Amino acid sequence: GAGVSQTPSNKVTEKGKYVELRCDPISGHTALYWYRQSLGQGPEFLIYFQGTGAADDSGLPNDRFFAVRPEGSVSTLKIQRTERGDSAVYLCASSPGLADLKETQYFGPGTRLLVL
Amino acid sequence: AQKITQTQPGMFVQEKEAVTLDCTYDTSDQSYGLFWYKQPSSGEMIFLIYQGSYDEQNATEGRYSLNFQKARKSANLVISASQLGDSAMYFCAMREDNAGNMLTFGGGTRLMVKP
Repeated sequence: GAGVSQTPSNKVTEKGKYVELRCDPISGHTALYWYRQSLGQGPEFLIYFQGTGAADDSGLPNDRFFAVRPEGSVSTLKIQRTERGDSAVYLCASSPGLADLKETQYFGPGTRLLVL
Repeated sequence: AQKITQTQPGMFVQEKEAVTLDCTYDTSDQSYGLFWYKQPSSGEMIFLIYQGSYDEQNATEGRYSLNFQKARKSANLVISASQLGDSAMYFCAMREDNAGNMLTFGGGTRLMVKP
C-alpha cells in the first residue's frame, strides 16, 4: 500500500521567503507528526496532530513556523521569513492514532529545504 | 541532559558478522517505549524493532534483537549476520508515557558493512 508521501522532495529558497511543505499520510492514520532533521543529527519533534487539531506544538521553534491539517488528512508545514538556519530535512510521519506506547510511526522520505 | 545517547558515531562490521549498536536513555517515567529506526542514504526512516519498558523479554525481529537492560537504562540493537544492505544510519528513539506521542531521537550511529 501507499506510504507517507511528501512534496516537494527538495526546495531551495532565498532568505526571507515563505515556503510550504506538504505531507500526505497513510490512509486511515489519524495521527500525523512533523520532525526536523539537521545535518548529522537525529530528527527533532516539531508538532503532532490528532485528526484536524494540533495536539502538541511544543517543538515548533518560533512563531515563523505553523502547520495545518484542515481535513484530518494532508498536512502543510508553513515557514515564514525563512532563515539560513531553517535549512534541514523536514520529515513527516503518521500512525493509526491509538495512543499506544508501542504504536509505530511511519515516516515519509522527507523534504530537503535549503535556504540561501 | 540528553534523553537518548548513542556514543558510536560510526561502526564497521564485516559482512556476515554480528554487530551491536549502543543506546542509553534517560527518563523518570516508569512507562516508556524504545524504538530503533534505520535511515539509508535515501533518507526515509524505516522502523526496525520496539521494546516496551514493561516487556520482560528482549524483543526480536528477524535478524534484529534488542538487548534491553532496564536497570542500566540501555537498549542496544544487535544485528546478526550483517549484510551489505545494512549499511545505513541507525537511530534509537524513546516515547515516554507522560510526554505525549512524540519520539525523542538520539544522534545516530553510521554502520558500514565491509564485504
